[in-house]
Amino acid sequence: SQTIHQWPATLVQPVGSPLSLECTVEGTSNPNLYWYRQAAGRGLQLLFYSVGIGQISSEVPQNLSASRPQDRQFILSSKKLLLSDSGFYLCAWATGNTGELFFGEGSRLTVL
Amino acid sequence: EDQVTQSPEALRLQEGESSSLNCSYTVSGLRGLFWYRQDPGKGPEFLFTLYSAGEEKEKERLKATLTKKESFLHITAPKPEDSATYLCAVQVSGGSYIPTFGRGTSLIVHP
Repeated sequence: SQTIHQWPATLVQPVGSPLSLECTVEGTSNPNLYWYRQAAGRGLQLLFYSVGIGQISSEVPQNLSASRPQDRQFILSSKKLLLSDSGFYLCAWATGNTGELFFGEGSRLTVL
Repeated sequence: EDQVTQSPEALRLQEGESSSLNCSYTVSGLRGLFWYRQDPGKGPEFLFTLYSAGEEKEKERLKATLTKKESFLHITAPKPEDSATYLCAVQVSGGSYIPTFGRGTSLIVHP
C-alpha cells in the first residue's frame, strides 16, 4: 500500500532563518506531488506541484521554493523566512492527473 | 474564474441529528468533485469522487450527491466521531488538472 511521510511535524523558526520541509511517498512510482499551505479559516492554497523529477510548477509568487531530487521525494525550502510564512504545510500525492489527493500529516510552521 | 463555495462555515449538531453540507461550484466544465475529511492538526483524508450529475456515493453515515451546480454531503444520525472539517474540491475539464478547494465546513457533533 502507498504511504506518505512528511517531516518535521512542528517547527518554530526565527524570521530570516532557512527552511526545509521534506516529503516522501512509498509504494507508488512517478506520482504527481503537491505542496499546499493552509491558513486558519482559509482553504488550501496550492504552492507547488510536480509531475516528475526536476519538474516544478509554482502557483503563487512567494518566498518559497520546491525541489524534487528523486521520484518520490519533494522538498519545500526557503532561504529567509518571513512572518507571513507561518502556517500549516501539507504535502500530497496523486496518481496521474486524478483529483484524488492523498495527504501527509502536515507540518506546522511558526515564524517568530 | 472557477470558484468553490462551501456552506455553512460551521455547523453544530446533536448526536443523531441528520443534516447536509453544501458545496456549490462555478466552473467551465466539471471533471470531478471530491470530498475530504480533515481532523484538527491532520492532513485531509479522501472520502469520495463524483463525476456527473445524479451520481451518489455512500460511506457509513455519509452520502455525497452531485447536481450540475452543487454537491451535498448528507450526514445521517451523526456521532461525535464525525466531528471534523469537511472539504470540497473540484477539478475542471479541459484545463489544469489541479483541484481547487473550498474553505471547508467545520462540523461539531455533540453527544
